[in-house]
Amino acid sequence: DQQVKQNSPSLSVQEGRISILNCDYTNSMFDYFLWYKKYPAEGPTFLISISSIKDKNEDGRFTVFLNKSAKHLSLHIVPSQPGDSAVYFCAAQGAQKLVFGQGTRLTINP
Amino acid sequence: DTGVSQDPRHKITKRGQNVTFRCDPISEHNRLYWYRQTLGQGPEFLTYFQNEAQLEKSRLLSDRFSAERPKGSFSTLEIQRTEQGDSAMYLCASSSPGTSGRFDSYEQYFGPGTRLTVT
Repeated sequence: DQQVKQNSPSLSVQEGRISILNCDYTNSMFDYFLWYKKYPAEGPTFLISISSIKDKNEDGRFTVFLNKSAKHLSLHIVPSQPGDSAVYFCAAQGAQKLVFGQGTRLTINP
Repeated sequence: DTGVSQDPRHKITKRGQNVTFRCDPISEHNRLYWYRQTLGQGPEFLTYFQNEAQLEKSRLLSDRFSAERPKGSFSTLEIQRTEQGDSAMYLCASSSPGTSGRFDSYEQYFGPGTRLTVT
């Protein structure tokens, strides 16, 4: 069973606009959530995280929102830049290991 | 640079051969994780160590797979009698206790991965 789902395989956004990536989870025992960015032939790079006791965490252009009742989190990137083009994974932490979604490929168009 | 390193970056082997990968974590991190990623999927957990103790293994880790972290520093992942289905990216990550005060709030930092191709 897929405990963490990213239902959009791809997203295309114009440079300077907001990018919103979504993620849903099913296991209410997850207590920490993370977003990673991945370029081809590289390992995932940590972006931003949020504890289950919060509903928002902001770091520069990146903001993560958590809606526990809906078991939904989202990553907002504003303004979007060409260097943001990559595959983004959300991950949920439970029992010391991360459970990842399938990823969303974000393309920023000039 | 004190990031996570993995060696080799690429490995091509014939079916039935044994392969071994190495991971060097960030030096002050006491937890080390192995994940596997196949095309179009997110990384999947294989196993993790706290210091030298292997604390959990996924059901994905068949008897042909073995991981060690003998001195609580670097780790090795060995695959015996490789099969074509073992072809994947093998990722290593490390973490240390978070600063938030919550025991389980560890952020994991990944290495570049070892891409295995079994022919």
